[in-house]
Parts: sequence; C-alpha cells; structure tokens
Amino acid sequence: GAVVSQHPSRVICKSGTSVKIECRSLDFQATTMFWYRQFPKQSLMLMATSNEGSKATYEQGVEKDKFLINHASLTLSTLTVTSAHPEDSSFYICSATPGGEEGYTFGSGTRLTVV
Amino acid sequence: AQSVTQPDIHITVSEGASLELRCNYSYGATPYLFWYVQSPGQGLQLLLKYFSGDTLVQGIKGFEAEFKRSQSSFNLRKPSVHWSDAAEYFCAVEDTGRRALTFGSGTRLQVQP
Repeated sequence: GAVVSQHPSRVICKSGTSVKIECRSLDFQATTMFWYRQFPKQSLMLMATSNEGSKATYEQGVEKDKFLINHASLTLSTLTVTSAHPEDSSFYICSATPGGEEGYTFGSGTRLTVV
Repeated sequence: AQSVTQPDIHITVSEGASLELRCNYSYGATPYLFWYVQSPGQGLQLLLKYFSGDTLVQGIKGFEAEFKRSQSSFNLRKPSVHWSDAAEYFCAVEDTGRRALTFGSGTRLQVQP
C-alpha cells in the first residue's frame, strides 16, 4: 500500500529558531500533499495544501509566513515553522493520496516542542 | 461546508464485547467517508473507506462500517473488541473540491480486561 514517511518524529527547538519537517511519498507520486495540526486530545485541523511546483494553499487563520511550505518534487513536501514560539508546539501530520479510490495515507507525525 | 460529528468523546467497553462508534456527517453531495485509528503519539491508520457501492464496508482488524444516507451516518462496528483496539478513532469526510479531509472530534476507546 501507499506509504508516507515523515521526519523527524520529534524535535525540540528554542524559541525564535526555525524547524523543517519533511514529508515523503515513498512508493507513489503526489502532486498534492496536506499538512494538518493536532493539539493534545483534539482532532486534526487542515493547515494547508501543498501543491507540487506552485504555491501552497493555506486555510483561513494559518499564517503563511510562519508556516512555509515547499513542494519541490512529486515525492517531497516540507513544512518549515519559522521563528517558532511555544504556542507553535503541537503535533504536525502530513498526508497524501495516490489518487482514485486509494484514500489518504498519513505520515507518523512530528511532535514539535518549542522551549 | 462539510462537517463531521462524533457524539461520543470517550467510550469504555469490556474485552470481547461488541463496539459501535457513531459518526454523522453533513455534506451536500455523495460523501467519501473514512475511519482512521490513532495510537498515542502516532500517525493515522486507515481502517476503511466508503466511496460508492455496497453500503456495508469491511475494513482491517475486523472493523466494518455502514453508510446510511437517510441518517447521514457512517457508524463503525466491531463484533468483539480486543485490548489492542484501545486508541483514538476519527471519522472523516473528503472535501472533493479541495481533496482534503474534514475530521470529527474523535472518540477515545478504552478496553477493560
């Protein structure tokens, strides 16, 4: 089945620094990938849709200058949290689909802690 | 806009008992519906999905779900729960316009020995 790999699984960074999270589709090409955020004991909220070769589409209320998305190839999307602050601490999960009726495959998530 | 409601925040069942997790959706067209399971600190694993056809869908780990258009529901069932089924369960509907998922708030399942 379709596999999505996400790295790192955990990261701790200092306030004011930037963190990059990678999302790779291992056995299929994904022109579109999705980035979700999940707060503790809450559901997943779509942050943005990453489009290969073009600008990402951000959901309302998501700061595009803080959460930079790059989708440079058909198998890789990156999310960079810039100038991170403690309130950015969260669980970030990416997703992609091979298309058709395959459904959506999720990465294993990245636990970001900003100290 | 589409929405998904999971009325039960937390459910506890005994091992070996049957399970039903409720999911109601709001969507204008024929929905694409999904159930995912999440273990603590992990990503999401797809249990099953409904796109069209037979309204009773079989999934992995012995789970099944039934799509009922008249009730706007897509409830997840399992005849006999195992301790390893303890996790968070999410129902989701696909927004075919932007091809992303809208999730319910989740149901946390505890399994008693």
